[in-house]
Amino acid sequence: AQKVTQAQTEISVVEKEDVTLDCVYETRDTTYYLFWYKQPPSGELVFLIRRNSFDEQNEISGRYSWNFQKSTSSFNFTITASQVVDSAVYFCALSEARETSGSRLTFGEGTQLTVNP
Amino acid sequence: EAQVTQNPRYLITVTGKKLTVTCSQNMNHEYMSWYRQDPGLGLRQIYYSMNVEVTDKGDVPEGYKVSRKEKRNFPLILESPSPNQTSLYFCASSLLSRGSYEQYFGPGTRLTVT
Repeated sequence: AQKVTQAQTEISVVEKEDVTLDCVYETRDTTYYLFWYKQPPSGELVFLIRRNSFDEQNEISGRYSWNFQKSTSSFNFTITASQVVDSAVYFCALSEARETSGSRLTFGEGTQLTVNP
Repeated sequence: EAQVTQNPRYLITVTGKKLTVTCSQNMNHEYMSWYRQDPGLGLRQIYYSMNVEVTDKGDVPEGYKVSRKEKRNFPLILESPSPNQTSLYFCASSLLSRGSYEQYFGPGTRLTVT
């Protein structure tokens, strides 16, 4: 069975600090997909990134960057120079590549990030 | 505009009173699913559907029913709601694939059962 663990329940930083959100996953499959979603206080889920298991290149998008390491089964998310608007709950998720389960996502517990001015 | 809509957005009800949360998508997606979100547990899948008339249980299906009579709609039915079904519910849709497509989520329905 697949599992995603986000060990950091809450993180609090001061604006402009860098912050890394950890994500560790378990799966028996060799082909799988990893995701990060943001849930701002308004409650909706905002898609941030999708990464497949064959692509271990790190990705950067503005102040966001993701570090995928298959050797440690981790997919960590770093926000550089954090801003108050980054305050949200962040979810890491895993999807296995099986027709019978379609695009089912297994989510981690979520990390509440608070950025203080 | 591509979107997933859910209704109602907020609902307070009493134990045992049947309710339905509707979900509709306008992207012609085959795959639709329901998740519930609870503090400390993240989101967990309740039911999913891979096409019209094809539905299956997710991780936490007890106490819920679904139907998929049309491609665009995937209602969630609580025949006899109980307080432990108080939660935030999300509907999602995507193209059917082996896990590779982004899922589009609805805005969420906050349900309170007293």
